[in-house]
Amino acid sequence: DTAVSQTPKYLVTQMGNDKSIKCEQNLGHDTMYWYKQDSKKFLKIMFSYNNKELIINETVPNRFSPKSPDKAHLNLHINSLELGDSAVYFCASSQGHPPYEQYFGPGTRLTVT
Amino acid sequence: GQQLNQSPQSMFIQEGEDVSMNCTSSSIFNTWLWYKQDPGEGPVLLIALYKAGELTSNGRLTAQFGITRKDSFLNISASIPSDVGIYFCAGVYSGGGADGLTFGKGTHLIIQP
Repeated sequence: DTAVSQTPKYLVTQMGNDKSIKCEQNLGHDTMYWYKQDSKKFLKIMFSYNNKELIINETVPNRFSPKSPDKAHLNLHINSLELGDSAVYFCASSQGHPPYEQYFGPGTRLTVT
Repeated sequence: GQQLNQSPQSMFIQEGEDVSMNCTSSSIFNTWLWYKQDPGEGPVLLIALYKAGELTSNGRLTAQFGITRKDSFLNISASIPSDVGIYFCAGVYSGGGADGLTFGKGTHLIIQP
């Protein structure tokens, strides 16, 4: 069984559109994250979220918003997509606080044209 | 925010050789993690280190948490073709912010048979 899954695997869309990426984890973890990996493979935290608190990296534009319907899901919604949003987005999860071992999903490659 | 300097940026080695890579930081981390990323996949956790000075092995992989808490290294012994990929160090800092992992920029390992 896949521990952390994301859909879709690939997403191609035009500038100005709104899109969502879904993430689910079946590890029973209480904290989930979104990371962005740029074309140079640099990974950067965007959000961390548990059932108590959403912590936002201050560099993330407010066009990005995480939405968690329940503890096992953390979706990423992006408004008014821009060319610079093209990247691979990874969901991850961990148990406990501070977050030690994090487990990553397979990634969603977003291409904005 | 915290930054990690990971080196080398890339390595071209012969199959069977030993590999060594390291990460340094100007800040103290509470936990060091080493991940491997294969093309088109998410990072996979290899080794987690929790205490300064800790030395941990996972098969042919050995990693150490530096005594100053500002560095870590990863060694791979007797490399094989499936070791090819990008290796990332990551540190956990629990002093606030998104509490995600701070990643190094990766070491691209290329093995020539």
